[in-house]
Amino acid sequence: AQKVTQAQTEISVVEKEDVTLDCVYETRDTTYYLFWYKQPPSGELVFLIRRNSFDEQNEISGRYSWNFQKSTSSFNFTITASQVVDSAVYFCALFILTGGGNKLTFGTGTQLKVEL
Amino acid sequence: DAGVTQSPTHLIKTRGQQVTLRCSPKSGHDTVSWYQQALGQGPQFIFQYYEEEERQRGNFPDRFSGHQFPNYSSELNVNALLLGDSALYLCASSSRFASGLTYNEQFFGPGTRLTVL
Repeated sequence: AQKVTQAQTEISVVEKEDVTLDCVYETRDTTYYLFWYKQPPSGELVFLIRRNSFDEQNEISGRYSWNFQKSTSSFNFTITASQVVDSAVYFCALFILTGGGNKLTFGTGTQLKVEL
Repeated sequence: DAGVTQSPTHLIKTRGQQVTLRCSPKSGHDTVSWYQQALGQGPQFIFQYYEEEERQRGNFPDRFSGHQFPNYSSELNVNALLLGDSALYLCASSSRFASGLTYNEQFFGPGTRLTVL
C-alpha cells in the first residue's frame, strides 16, 4: 500500500520569507512519480511540480524548488520569497506506475498562510 | 481549449437521497477519475473510467457508482446519502494510461461541493 504523510498541518510566514513544506512517502514500488499540487480557496487543484523515482536531481523553477531524497523517502518543496498569493493548501501526492491506472495518493495537505 | 468542467458547483441534499454529479473531460482526454475530498483532508480516489467501463476502484462502498458516456464525459452517482458524504468531489481527466515509464498528467476540474443535511 502507498502512503503520503504531510506532518505540517499549517504554516504561517511573513511575505518574502522562504518556506519549506515537508512530504514523506511510503511505497514498495521502485517506479513512481511524486507531485506537489496547490489548492486555492476556489478548490481547483493546480499542478506545480512532478518528479519520477529515477531522477533525484533537485531543481529550481522560478520561486519553487524541491528536494527529493529516496534514501529518506522525502520530497520537500520550497517557496522562495513567499507572496500573499501563495496562500493555499499544498498537497504532496504519489503515483505508482505498476499495475496500471492513474491513481494518485494524496497527503492530508499543509495550509500555508502568507501575511503582509 | 476548455479544461475539465464539473456541474453543479454546489449541491445540498438530505440524508437518504440520491445525487448525480457530472464531469466533462479536457479535450482529447478519454479517461476520467473521481476523487472525494472531505474537509481538511486530501483527495481520496473513488474510481476511474475509460472505454465506458470502471477500470479501477478505491475503498468506497457500492453506494458510489459511475458511468462514462461515448463522448468520454462521466457521472458519479451516490445513493442513500450519509452525512459523511459531505465533501468536495473532484473530477480529473487524462489520456489512456500507456505501459512503460510514462505518466499521463491528470487535469482536475473545479469540483462539486456536496452538503448532506
